[in-house]
Amino acid sequence: AQKVTQAQTEISVVEKEDVTLDCVYETRDTTYYLFWYKQPPSGELVFLIRRNSFDEQNEISGRYSWNFQKSTSSFNFTITASQVVDSAVYFCALYRGGADGLTFGKGTHLIIQP
Amino acid sequence: NAGVTQTPKFQVLKTGQSMTLQCAQDMNHEYMSWYRQDPGMGLRLIHYSVGAGITDQGEVPNGYNVSRSTTEDFPLRLLSAAPSQTSVYFCASSYSPVNTEAFFGQGTRLTVV
Repeated sequence: AQKVTQAQTEISVVEKEDVTLDCVYETRDTTYYLFWYKQPPSGELVFLIRRNSFDEQNEISGRYSWNFQKSTSSFNFTITASQVVDSAVYFCALYRGGADGLTFGKGTHLIIQP
Repeated sequence: NAGVTQTPKFQVLKTGQSMTLQCAQDMNHEYMSWYRQDPGMGLRLIHYSVGAGITDQGEVPNGYNVSRSTTEDFPLRLLSAAPSQTSVYFCASSYSPVNTEAFFGQGTRLTVV
């Protein structure tokens, strides 16, 4: 069975600080996909990124960057120069293929203080 | 650009009542699914469908029924609501279960008293 662990339940930083959200996953599959979603206070789920298991290149999108390391089964998410609008719950998820849906971590509540 | 539409957004039920959460998508997606979100639990898969007429159980299916008579609609039925079903419910759809992100609806906050 697959599992996603987000050990940080809540993180609080001051605006403009950099912050990294950790995600560790477990799966026996060789082909899988990793996701990050943002859930702002309004409650909707916003897709941020998808990465497949064969692509270990790090990705940067503006202030967001993702570090995928198969050796440590981690897919960490870094926000550079955080802003108050980044305050949200962030979920890491794993999809192993087939029709089983996404396996989500429990989420990390990120609080950016002005 | 409607995407995935869920109704209602909020609902309060009494224990034992039944209701249907509606989910519709206009993207011609084959794969649709229902998740529930509970505090500290993340999202857990309830039921899913890989196409019209085909449904299957996810991680937490007990107490819920689904059907998929059309590609567009995937309703979730609670036959006899229980307080343990108090949760936020999300419907999602995607082109296929493979290699694509899911588009999520806005969520339905259900309280069973």
